[in-house]
This record gives sequence, structure tokens and C-alpha cells, in this order.
Amino acid sequence: KQEVTQIPAALSVPEGENLVLNCSFTDSAIYNLQWFRQDPGKGLTSLLLIQSSQREQTSGRLNASLDKSSGRSTLYIAASQPGDSATYLCAVPSNDYKLSFGAGTTVTVRA
Amino acid sequence: DAGVIQSPRHEVTEMGQEVTLRCKPISGHNSLFWYRQTMMRGLELLIYFNNNVPIDDSGMPEDRFSAKMPNASFSTLKIQPSEPRDSAVYFCASSQTGRTEAFFGQGTRLTVV
Repeated sequence: KQEVTQIPAALSVPEGENLVLNCSFTDSAIYNLQWFRQDPGKGLTSLLLIQSSQREQTSGRLNASLDKSSGRSTLYIAASQPGDSATYLCAVPSNDYKLSFGAGTTVTVRA
Repeated sequence: DAGVIQSPRHEVTEMGQEVTLRCKPISGHNSLFWYRQTMMRGLELLIYFNNNVPIDDSGMPEDRFSAKMPNASFSTLKIQPSEPRDSAVYFCASSQTGRTEAFFGQGTRLTVV
């Protein structure tokens, strides 16, 4: 069974600081990994999808890395802004379709 | 595309009543998922459809829950009768295939009193 852990559970930083969010998973036989953002009372917004053959994926200020062998992924958010405040979820497939989610990291960026 | 569309956004109902949640997936996506999110258990997969056919319903908690996908552009999740412990946020998601990027709707927040 795929277990996904996200550390830390919460993070508070001043505006402008870089964010580092960690995700670890127990079964390294994955074909991709997806990072989502969830705002309070809202749905999940897909941020990045990394294929198992990739080491990293970038979108604007976001960069996600993947190390399958060690069962880890890291999401970097550069030059954080108050609008980045949200919960960030990591999701890893348990089989051909089912996603296992971490509990998320709740980020607060202070102006 | 407008993304995955769910309705209603909020539903408050009394225990014992029937509740129907609706979902319109992204056009062209062959895979549809229903997830439930609670504080205690996080996000859990309830049921997975591929090409309108239910493939995995092992996450459906009880016989009170049922889901249908009559065509490629519409799915429903029904709870009958509803109970207070069913209170949660229910998400519908779709993807081109089971293995590709999943896109989620805004969710339906269900409260059963």
C-alpha cells in the first residue's frame, strides 16, 4: 500500500522567502507524481505533474524534483508571495489510476 | 474548457434524505473519479470509471452509496439514506486516461444534520 508523507505540516514565512515543501512515498514503482494546491473551501488545482522518467519539472516560480529511488519529491516556490498561501498536496499513484495523497503542507506567507 | 464542473457547491440535508451529487468531466477525458475529503481521513477514492464503466468501487463505504455514469459527459454520486457521518467534501476529477494528469472540480460540501 502506498503511503505518502508531507513534511512539514505547516509553514509560515515572510514574503520573498523561498519555500521548500517535502513529500515522501513508500513504493518507488510510480509512473508519475502530481502536486496540487488547495485554497480554503476550494477544489484542488493541479500545479505540476512529473513523469517517472523526469528528475524535475518547472512552471514559473515553481520547481518540483523527483527522486524515485529514495521515494522523495520536493516542491520549491521561489520568492514567495501572500497569494501563495494555501495547502499544497502531493499525490502518488497506488496503481494504474488511484492517487494516494499526503495530508498536505499548509503555507502562510506573511506580507 | 471550463474544467470539471460539480453541482451543487453546497448541500445541507437532513439525516435519512437522499442526496445526489453531479459532475461534468472535461470533454475528451475517459477517466472519472469520485473522491471524498474529510479532516480525519484526507482524500479517499470512492469510485473510478473508465469509458463510462465502473472499474473500481472498492472505496464506496456502504450500500447507501451508488454512482452512475450514463454517458461521457455526466456522472452522479447518490447517497440514500444520508447520515451525519457522510458529511464531507466530495470531489469529482477527470483525466485523459487513468495514468495522466488529474483535474479536480470545486467540490460539493455536504452537511447532513
